[in-house]
Amino acid sequence: GAGVSQTPSNKVTEKGKYVELRCDPISGHTALYWYRQSLGQGPEFLIYFQGTGAADDSGLPNDRFFAVRPEGSVSTLKIQRTERGDSAVYLCASSLGEGYNEQFFGPGTRLTVL
Amino acid sequence: AQSVAQPEDQVNVAEGNPLTVKCTYSVSGNPYLFWYVQYPNRGLQFLLKYITGDNLVKGSYGFEAEFNKSQTSFHLKKPSALVSDSALYFCAVRDKSGYGGATNKLIFGTGTLLAVQP
Repeated sequence: GAGVSQTPSNKVTEKGKYVELRCDPISGHTALYWYRQSLGQGPEFLIYFQGTGAADDSGLPNDRFFAVRPEGSVSTLKIQRTERGDSAVYLCASSLGEGYNEQFFGPGTRLTVL
Repeated sequence: AQSVAQPEDQVNVAEGNPLTVKCTYSVSGNPYLFWYVQYPNRGLQFLLKYITGDNLVKGSYGFEAEFNKSQTSFHLKKPSALVSDSALYFCAVRDKSGYGGATNKLIFGTGTLLAVQP
């Protein structure tokens, strides 16, 4: 079956621009997560959705970052006024509901802010 | 604060030899522990998890991990390494802090690069 998909795979933008990153989770997975992975580091949590609502957004670094999941499936991570420090690989994952179920990750979007 | 540590940046092993990738954790209560593998330019792939029960957990691709509560460790092992096992391995723990005491976010270690020489 299809796994988690993310688009675009690469995004190059200029400092100050707005970007949107898309995640399409595994069908039937109610939980969706966004992580950010910088070079040489492990993924760092950004936000977690259960259904349409953000159950935990404690990892969003500041108010330039925002994510939505309006219909409980596809999610979009939005970054305003991008900065060079936002450059990283943004990973999306989904899982079957809450609890201890494993998260399945997409291939990521590599964001480069020039 | 919940955390995991992977003390080795890189592990080198010859093909056919046993391998161990180390992970220690710090959590309150019973931990939920995971291992993921990341191949170049690909997403993280789930290998195995420990929730409860038998301390030896078997996972994908012949990997297993041993949960040791007294040593707060969850080391990844494989009896016979393959060159194709060469990749970046991440240990993770489910965070139990905040938002009423339970959240689904994973806290990852910094990763260990496994290099298997032919």
